[in-house]
Amino acid sequence: ETGVTQTPRHLVMGMTNKKSLKCEQHLGHNAMYWYKQSAKKPLELMFVYSLEERVENNSVPSRFSPECPNSSHLFLHLHTLQPEDSALYLCASSQEWVQRGYTFGSGTRLTVV
Amino acid sequence: GIQVEQSPPDLILQEGANSTLRCNFSDSVNNLQWFHQNPWGQLINLFYIPSGTKQNGRLSATTVATERYSLLYISSSQTTDSGVYFCAVDDYGQNFVFGPGTRLSVLP
Repeated sequence: ETGVTQTPRHLVMGMTNKKSLKCEQHLGHNAMYWYKQSAKKPLELMFVYSLEERVENNSVPSRFSPECPNSSHLFLHLHTLQPEDSALYLCASSQEWVQRGYTFGSGTRLTVV
Repeated sequence: GIQVEQSPPDLILQEGANSTLRCNFSDSVNNLQWFHQNPWGQLINLFYIPSGTKQNGRLSATTVATERYSLLYISSSQTTDSGVYFCAVDDYGQNFVFGPGTRLSVLP
């Protein structure tokens, strides 16, 4: 257990479904991140939240919608996804931006059918 | 933006062997971190090492910031060391940029 918990670990969803990924950190960090890891590609930053405010959105399609209700919780709401969205979605947290390093969760492996 | 390269892309070792993984980056960095991703996808922080040398058991890392590279040493490798090793750097921006990783396979 790293202090960052992601649920569910695995998710299979149809293209018309709506689902949410959850991330919770128990480290007292003030920044949280969503990353996408596709096969044979580098990790891609999707969203950054600092002090519950979104500060970065790397041109992610609107079918991905993040939510950060407080500094300990981060959600990624999914709707009308495409098969190419199948990937490992990783949540991370840090204190004072990246100055103290990242801690990652175990990830959610998403398959869109 | 900053570019991060890692070498070699793939590495196969016999158990007990030593190895050196390299990370090159194209610009000055504020921070650098090494991660190990196990076969189940879990990314584990190995070292937070913007400069200097650190050791943790069989693993050690050295970052020479002025020459824009970092090295990760694995000694007496074990099968549990298998996985992908990522280097990530922060270029004084708001997030880390990850390298493509080195895939390590340790054979029994």
